[in-house]
Amino acid sequence: GQQVMQIPQYQHVQEGEDFTTYCNSSTTLSNIQWYKQRPGGHPVFLIQLVKSGEVKKQKRLTFQFGEAKKNSSLHITATQTTDVGTYFCAGLKAAGNKLTFGGGTRVLVKP
Amino acid sequence: GAGVSQTPSNKVTEKGKYVELRCDPISGHTALYWYRQSLGQGPEFLIYFQGTGAADDSGLPNDRFFAVRPEGSVSTLKIQRTERGDSAVYLCASSLFGDRNYEQYFGPGTRLTVT
Repeated sequence: GQQVMQIPQYQHVQEGEDFTTYCNSSTTLSNIQWYKQRPGGHPVFLIQLVKSGEVKKQKRLTFQFGEAKKNSSLHITATQTTDVGTYFCAGLKAAGNKLTFGGGTRVLVKP
Repeated sequence: GAGVSQTPSNKVTEKGKYVELRCDPISGHTALYWYRQSLGQGPEFLIYFQGTGAADDSGLPNDRFFAVRPEGSVSTLKIQRTERGDSAVYLCASSLFGDRNYEQYFGPGTRLTVT
């Protein structure tokens, strides 16, 4: 079945630094969504990417969808303590409404 | 407005017992999803409802798991003969329509512990 992998599993970042987390699917995706889950909380939708090569920005967050629509990345600039949490990508295949989540990247920020 | 609500927030049950978990979606949302999240893992899809009908139940692990949404709003996830391996956080999400391009709004989850 479809698998979605995220690397790294853990990301320790110094406050103010940049980092990137990557998402790779075993199959071509129709679209991809990103969610953030704070410790003890539930996933909260961040963004959806639909087009091949699409790039979207939300303040310090930049999301990209690969040309082959099998991978995606999230880049965060000038990390802040409010960025702490787990970032999940979730892929949707061409048919159906079933979102397949990756294992997440757990981000810890060192002040 | 109110978000997705789930009850109970915590449920401890003994192995072999039956449990029901409830989800109240955002008013007007036609699509409803159930996920299971184990510690350190991403949410795992269980079932998706469009209105009253289960449009995709391919994620239900076995026939001990069943879900209903009789009036197209509230949904109940039912687990028979619970096993210790069923322990997890069960998340419910809803979206405005079943269209694939709509974001999902998650509830706070029910933490199920089977002893």
